[in-house]
Amino acid sequence: SAVISQKPSRDICQRGTSLTIQCQVDSQVTMMFWYRQQPGQSLTLIATANQGSEATYESGFVIDKFPISRPNLTFSTLTVSNMSPEDSSIYLCSGLDRGTEAFFGQGTRLTVV
Amino acid sequence: GQNIDQPTEMTATEGAIVQINCTYQTSGFNGLFWYQQHAGEAPTFLSYNVLDGLEEKGRFSSFLSRSKGYSYLLLKELQMKDSASYLCAVGLTTDSWGKLQFGAGTQVVVTP
Repeated sequence: SAVISQKPSRDICQRGTSLTIQCQVDSQVTMMFWYRQQPGQSLTLIATANQGSEATYESGFVIDKFPISRPNLTFSTLTVSNMSPEDSSIYLCSGLDRGTEAFFGQGTRLTVV
Repeated sequence: GQNIDQPTEMTATEGAIVQINCTYQTSGFNGLFWYQQHAGEAPTFLSYNVLDGLEEKGRFSSFLSRSKGYSYLLLKELQMKDSASYLCAVGLTTDSWGKLQFGAGTQVVVTP
């Protein structure tokens, strides 16, 4: 399957600041998603990153807090805005094509202090 | 609402067999996925079932019963490297193909 390079792998940020996470896929994929994994918990879908249009957010997640871009079929970014300690989590991007399974980037471990 | 249940933790000895059960109640269904996640790493794909029955892949097998909303992952000939979290996930079809709803994960501990 395709490979996703995600960066940064980890960061420690001050509250009130913003962090942008990038995911680069080594081939074009139809769908890309962003997930959050809070400590000791499973993955929760944040949004679907739509190529060339606004992302589709899941209940509990809003664009002002988690703006997402997907300018083409191989790249997407997630920004965590105005961070608070509650945003400390692992953020993962995922990609897939029809007929394939979802694959994940390595994750970004974010700590907000 | 969406509900995916799996045990929190299971312990087994090296060389043994462990079966991880997963029950689900979701508004859509486009297949049942199992992922393995080692601590601090991204989930990696193990298996996919969309039809009832057993899928075998080396030491790992996965079973699905759609009428019962039930799946299991069977790990045979356990090795120490199999110590990891195993995530059951349902592919949803409500409004976007490819979205996954994950269970909380089962932490498997393999002991010598």
